Formats: sequence, structure tokens, C-alpha cells
Amino acid sequence: DAKTTQPPSMDCAEGRAANLPCNHSTISGNEYVYWYRQIHSQGPQYIIHGLKNNETNEMASLIITEDRKSSTLILPHATLRDTAVYYCIVRVLYNFNKFYFGSGTKLNVKP
Amino acid sequence: DGGITQSPKYLFRKEGQNVTLSCEQNLNHDAMYWYRQDPGQGLRLIYYSQIVNDFQKGDIAEGYSVSREKKESFPLTVTSAQKNPTAFYLCASSMEVIYDNEQFFGPGTRLTVL
Repeated sequence: DAKTTQPPSMDCAEGRAANLPCNHSTISGNEYVYWYRQIHSQGPQYIIHGLKNNETNEMASLIITEDRKSSTLILPHATLRDTAVYYCIVRVLYNFNKFYFGSGTKLNVKP
Repeated sequence: DGGITQSPKYLFRKEGQNVTLSCEQNLNHDAMYWYRQDPGQGLRLIYYSQIVNDFQKGDIAEGYSVSREKKESFPLTVTSAQKNPTAFYLCASSMEVIYDNEQFFGPGTRLTVL
């Protein structure tokens, strides 16, 4: 199973872009990168996912390096409500639809 | 509104008692999942079910049991055999037939065993 490595915590000023890195050096060619976030004591919320190309939606952008060994989630204008734990997950194809959640990155957005 | 409901939000039980956590979804999803989360840690998969009347053990199934008699429902029983049952329990669901699909999570149940 491909593993992910994320920094345990990051700080970001309100209104600035938050860039959350993730390493997944053992990712296989057909494995997707997913990002979820979890606000304290709530269920995780889906943010975005991608395979090779960069992706953007109303919440965030996902930048995947050409070798696919790392990715960055970008929240373009962080707000206080974006304070949460962000999980980078590589989807394991051969165990159907199982998601492995690591410890994630605690993003602290400060005024 | 479509979504996943878990009840109750908070649950207290005495040690040695079995307890069943409810999970219902009206998203018409084929697959459902149960995760456990301990303080400061990520989610760990307990059980999952891809279709009705079928389920598979996850990474930490010991001391837990599930059933999937209906597509909408996937209850989890925490038995007295589970040595450290106090945790935050999360249920999720997803479409089975779509390849790169996401999981939708319920609000969770916080179980405290006294």
C-alpha cells in the first residue's frame, strides 16, 4: 500500500494561501491522490482528488508533481473556518475503495 | 436532504456491555464503511461492505461485528471483547460502480465506556 507523509502541523494567516504538502513516493501509476479535511469532532469532508493532472474546484487546487511522488493542496484564501486536520490519502486499488487515513496535517489559520 | 446519519452523537456504556451504533444513508450508495478514530490520530478501518448481505473485515475488526441486511443501513456492534472501545466512530458510504469516487462521512458517534 502506498503511504503518505505529511507535516503534523502548519500555520497560515487569514486571507493568505495555505499550501499543504504531501509525499507519496511509493504511489503506483493508477492510484489517485485524495484530500479530505476534518474539523474537530466532525466527520471528514471530501475536498478534491486527482490522478496526474492538476485539479481545481470551488474549495481548493491540487498540484501533483510530474513524477507523482508528491502533491500540494492549495487553499487560495484561507479563512478561520478552514482550521482543520487535512488528510492526504492514496487510494489503494486492489483493496476495493479502501481509504487509508494517516495522521494528517493540522492547519491553524490565524487572524 | 441526502446524507448519512449516525445516532446517537454521544453514547455511554458500562464496561462489559455490548452496544450497537446506528448508520443510515439515503444516497443509494452500494458501499458502506466503519472507522474508528482515537484522539490525535487518523481513521482506522473496522469493517466495510460492498453490497447487501456481504461485508469484509478491515484492519481492526477484532471485538466488533456488523450486519448489512438493507442497502441503507450498516449497524456496528461493539462487543465486550473489544478491549479499548472508547473512541469516536465514523460511518461512511460511497458508490460502488464509479471508479474514482469519494467517501461521504456521517457526523460520528462518540462512545465512552465507563
